[in-house]
Amino acid sequence: DAGVTQSPTHLIKTRGQQVTLRCSPKSGHDTVSWYQQALGQGPQFIFQYYEEEERQRGNFPDRFSGHQFPNYSSELNVNALLLGDSALYLCASSSATDTGELFFGEGSRLTVL
Amino acid sequence: DAKTTQPTSMDCAEGRAANLPCNHSTISGNEYVYWYRQIHSQGPQYIIHGLKNNETNEMASLIITEDRKSSTLILPHATLRDTAVYYCIVRPVRSGNTGKLIFGQGTTLQVKP
Repeated sequence: DAGVTQSPTHLIKTRGQQVTLRCSPKSGHDTVSWYQQALGQGPQFIFQYYEEEERQRGNFPDRFSGHQFPNYSSELNVNALLLGDSALYLCASSSATDTGELFFGEGSRLTVL
Repeated sequence: DAKTTQPTSMDCAEGRAANLPCNHSTISGNEYVYWYRQIHSQGPQYIIHGLKNNETNEMASLIITEDRKSSTLILPHATLRDTAVYYCIVRPVRSGNTGKLIFGQGTTLQVKP
Protein backbone atom coordinates (compact mmCIF):
# COMPACT_ATOMS: atom_id res chain seq x y z
CA ASP A 1 0.00 0.00 0.00
CA ALA A 2 1.68 3.17 -1.20
CA GLY A 3 1.79 5.98 1.27
CA VAL A 4 1.80 9.67 0.44
CA THR A 5 4.16 10.41 -2.42
CA GLN A 6 5.56 13.80 -3.34
CA SER A 7 7.57 15.10 -6.27
CA PRO A 8 10.09 16.42 -6.86
CA THR A 9 12.13 15.65 -3.75
CA HIS A 10 14.49 18.57 -4.27
CA LEU A 11 14.49 21.60 -6.54
CA ILE A 12 16.25 24.92 -6.93
CA LYS A 13 14.61 28.06 -8.28
CA THR A 14 15.53 31.72 -8.53
CA ARG A 15 13.63 34.69 -7.17
CA GLY A 16 10.58 35.62 -9.21
CA GLN A 17 10.12 32.19 -10.72
CA GLN A 18 7.13 29.92 -10.24
CA VAL A 19 7.10 26.38 -8.89
CA THR A 20 4.64 23.46 -8.90
CA LEU A 21 4.84 20.66 -6.38
CA ARG A 22 2.86 17.45 -6.65
CA CYS A 23 1.31 15.04 -4.17
CA SER A 24 -0.45 11.69 -4.43
CA PRO A 25 -2.43 10.79 -1.30
CA LYS A 26 -2.42 7.49 0.49
CA SER A 27 -4.76 4.94 -1.06
CA GLY A 28 -8.30 5.44 0.22
CA HIS A 29 -7.73 9.06 1.26
CA ASP A 30 -9.69 11.93 -0.25
CA THR A 31 -8.31 14.98 1.56
CA VAL A 32 -4.96 16.64 0.96
CA SER A 33 -3.30 19.32 3.06
CA TRP A 34 -0.12 21.24 2.42
CA TYR A 35 2.39 22.50 4.95
CA GLN A 36 5.51 24.65 4.80
CA GLN A 37 8.38 23.89 7.15
CA ALA A 38 11.20 26.39 7.42
CA LEU A 39 14.51 25.20 8.81
CA GLY A 40 14.31 24.64 12.55
CA GLN A 41 10.58 25.32 12.75
CA GLY A 42 7.48 23.19 13.00
CA PRO A 43 5.31 22.73 9.90
CA GLN A 44 2.89 25.57 9.11
CA PHE A 45 -0.50 24.83 7.55
CA ILE A 46 -0.96 26.34 4.08
CA PHE A 47 -4.32 24.96 2.94
CA GLN A 48 -6.47 21.87 2.59
CA TYR A 49 -8.32 20.43 -0.40
CA TYR A 50 -11.38 18.23 -0.32
CA GLU A 51 -13.74 17.44 -3.20
CA GLU A 52 -11.52 19.52 -5.48
CA GLU A 53 -12.09 22.69 -3.47
CA GLU A 54 -9.96 24.64 -1.03
CA ARG A 55 -11.68 24.14 2.34
CA GLN A 56 -9.35 25.81 4.80
CA ARG A 57 -6.45 28.18 4.46
CA GLY A 58 -3.67 29.25 6.74
CA ASN A 59 -1.96 32.63 6.87
CA PHE A 60 -0.28 32.50 3.47
CA PRO A 61 -0.48 35.05 0.63
CA ASP A 62 -2.31 34.51 -2.62
CA ARG A 63 0.99 33.63 -4.28
CA PHE A 64 0.33 30.20 -2.82
CA SER A 65 -2.39 28.35 -4.68
CA GLY A 66 -3.39 24.79 -5.20
CA HIS A 67 -5.51 22.33 -7.02
CA GLN A 68 -7.00 18.92 -6.39
CA PHE A 69 -7.79 16.53 -9.21
CA PRO A 70 -10.63 13.99 -9.48
CA ASN A 71 -8.22 11.20 -8.48
CA TYR A 72 -7.54 13.15 -5.23
CA SER A 73 -3.97 14.04 -6.14
CA SER A 74 -2.98 17.64 -5.60
CA GLU A 75 -0.62 20.38 -6.69
CA LEU A 76 0.83 23.32 -4.80
CA ASN A 77 1.81 26.34 -6.88
CA VAL A 78 3.90 29.23 -5.66
CA ASN A 79 4.31 32.31 -7.84
CA ALA A 80 6.84 35.13 -7.69
CA LEU A 81 9.19 33.17 -5.47
CA LEU A 82 10.96 34.95 -2.62
CA LEU A 83 14.08 33.87 -0.79
CA GLY A 84 11.89 33.29 2.26
CA ASP A 85 9.92 30.62 0.39
CA SER A 86 12.89 28.29 0.77
CA ALA A 87 11.54 25.44 2.89
CA LEU A 88 10.43 21.85 3.04
CA TYR A 89 6.92 21.54 1.61
CA LEU A 90 4.94 18.69 3.10
CA CYS A 91 1.80 17.07 1.80
CA ALA A 92 -0.52 15.21 4.16
CA SER A 93 -3.53 13.08 3.31
CA SER A 94 -6.50 11.94 5.34
CA SER A 95 -9.96 10.54 4.93
CA ALA A 96 -13.01 12.66 5.59
CA THR A 97 -14.81 9.65 7.04
CA ASP A 98 -12.08 8.60 9.49
CA THR A 99 -10.98 10.20 12.74
CA GLY A 100 -8.84 12.44 10.64
CA GLU A 101 -5.33 11.11 11.24
CA LEU A 102 -2.95 12.73 8.81
CA PHE A 103 -0.31 10.80 6.94
CA PHE A 104 2.60 12.87 5.66
CA GLY A 105 4.86 12.47 2.67
CA GLU A 106 8.62 12.95 2.80
CA GLY A 107 8.35 16.46 1.41
CA SER A 108 9.77 18.56 -1.41
CA ARG A 109 12.82 20.63 -0.50
CA LEU A 110 12.66 23.99 -2.29
CA THR A 111 15.65 26.29 -2.40
CA VAL A 112 15.18 29.80 -3.79
CA LEU A 113 18.37 31.61 -4.82
CA ASP B 1 -0.46 29.82 17.86
CA ALA B 2 0.03 26.35 19.23
CA LYS B 3 -2.17 25.48 22.19
CA THR B 4 0.48 23.25 23.74
CA THR B 5 3.71 23.75 25.66
CA GLN B 6 6.55 21.25 25.54
CA PRO B 7 10.15 21.24 26.79
CA THR B 8 12.58 22.18 24.06
CA SER B 9 14.79 19.14 24.45
CA MET B 10 15.25 15.94 26.45
CA ASP B 11 17.79 13.15 26.66
CA CYS B 12 17.10 9.49 27.29
CA ALA B 13 19.36 6.47 27.66
CA GLU B 14 18.89 3.70 25.13
CA GLY B 15 16.65 0.95 26.50
CA ARG B 16 15.07 3.18 29.10
CA ALA B 17 11.59 4.67 29.01
CA ALA B 18 11.28 8.13 27.50
CA ASN B 19 8.59 10.26 29.09
CA LEU B 20 7.67 13.36 27.09
CA PRO B 21 5.40 15.87 28.83
CA CYS B 22 2.96 18.28 27.25
CA ASN B 23 0.82 21.03 28.76
CA HIS B 24 -2.48 21.93 27.13
CA SER B 25 -4.24 23.85 29.86
CA THR B 26 -6.72 25.54 27.49
CA ILE B 27 -7.87 22.32 25.83
CA SER B 28 -11.58 22.20 25.01
CA GLY B 29 -13.92 19.32 25.69
CA ASN B 30 -14.12 18.51 21.99
CA GLU B 31 -10.36 18.36 21.37
CA TYR B 32 -8.16 15.30 21.13
CA VAL B 33 -4.48 15.20 22.05
CA TYR B 34 -2.35 14.00 19.14
CA TRP B 35 1.33 13.12 19.05
CA TYR B 36 3.49 13.13 15.96
CA ARG B 37 7.22 12.79 15.57
CA GLN B 38 9.60 13.92 12.87
CA ILE B 39 12.86 12.18 12.28
CA HIS B 40 15.46 14.37 10.62
CA SER B 41 14.64 15.23 7.01
CA GLN B 42 11.50 13.10 6.96
CA GLY B 43 7.80 13.94 7.08
CA PRO B 44 5.99 13.86 10.44
CA GLN B 45 4.80 10.43 11.56
CA TYR B 46 1.60 9.83 13.50
CA ILE B 47 2.19 8.14 16.87
CA ILE B 48 -0.98 8.11 18.94
CA HIS B 49 -3.98 10.17 20.00
CA GLY B 50 -6.51 10.23 22.83
CA LEU B 51 -9.43 12.14 24.25
CA LYS B 52 -9.52 11.44 27.96
CA ASN B 53 -8.63 7.81 28.53
CA ASN B 54 -5.10 6.47 28.47
CA GLU B 55 -4.17 4.90 25.15
CA THR B 56 -1.55 2.37 24.08
CA ASN B 57 -0.44 1.09 20.72
CA GLU B 58 2.59 -0.67 19.31
CA MET B 59 4.63 2.52 19.34
CA ALA B 60 3.81 4.28 22.59
CA SER B 61 1.47 4.96 25.47
CA LEU B 62 -0.39 8.19 26.09
CA ILE B 63 -1.31 9.21 29.63
CA ILE B 64 -3.81 12.09 29.93
CA THR B 65 -4.47 13.67 33.31
CA GLU B 66 -7.99 13.59 34.67
CA ASP B 67 -8.46 17.34 34.14
CA ARG B 68 -7.03 16.89 30.60
CA LYS B 69 -4.72 19.86 31.06
CA SER B 70 -1.58 17.84 30.46
CA SER B 71 -0.41 14.56 29.02
CA THR B 72 2.69 12.38 28.77
CA LEU B 73 3.86 10.33 25.83
CA ILE B 74 5.77 7.24 26.92
CA LEU B 75 8.17 5.33 24.70
CA PRO B 76 8.70 2.23 26.87
CA HIS B 77 12.10 1.13 25.58
CA ALA B 78 13.73 3.93 23.64
CA THR B 79 16.13 3.07 20.83
CA LEU B 80 18.52 5.25 18.87
CA ARG B 81 15.95 5.30 16.05
CA ASP B 82 13.54 7.14 18.36
CA THR B 83 15.75 10.24 18.21
CA ALA B 84 13.42 12.83 16.69
CA VAL B 85 11.34 15.96 17.29
CA TYR B 86 8.10 15.06 19.06
CA TYR B 87 5.05 17.28 18.58
CA CYS B 88 2.05 17.40 20.89
CA ILE B 89 -1.03 18.84 19.15
CA VAL B 90 -4.62 19.44 20.22
CA ARG B 91 -7.23 19.01 17.56
CA PRO B 92 -11.05 19.03 17.48
CA VAL B 93 -12.98 15.78 17.57
CA ARG B 94 -14.66 14.89 14.31
CA SER B 95 -11.88 16.52 12.35
CA GLY B 96 -13.30 14.83 9.30
CA ASN B 97 -11.92 16.64 6.33
CA THR B 98 -10.06 19.17 8.44
CA GLY B 99 -6.40 18.82 7.62
CA LYS B 100 -5.17 21.63 9.81
CA LEU B 101 -2.72 20.80 12.55
CA ILE B 102 -1.04 23.55 14.54
CA PHE B 103 2.52 22.50 15.26
CA GLY B 104 4.57 24.14 17.97
CA GLN B 105 8.32 23.82 18.37
CA GLY B 106 8.11 20.30 19.75
CA THR B 107 10.55 18.43 21.97
CA THR B 108 13.82 17.23 20.51
CA LEU B 109 14.43 13.82 22.04
CA GLN B 110 18.00 12.58 21.90
CA VAL B 111 18.41 8.89 22.71
CA LYS B 112 21.96 8.15 23.78
CA PRO B 113 23.80 4.81 23.81
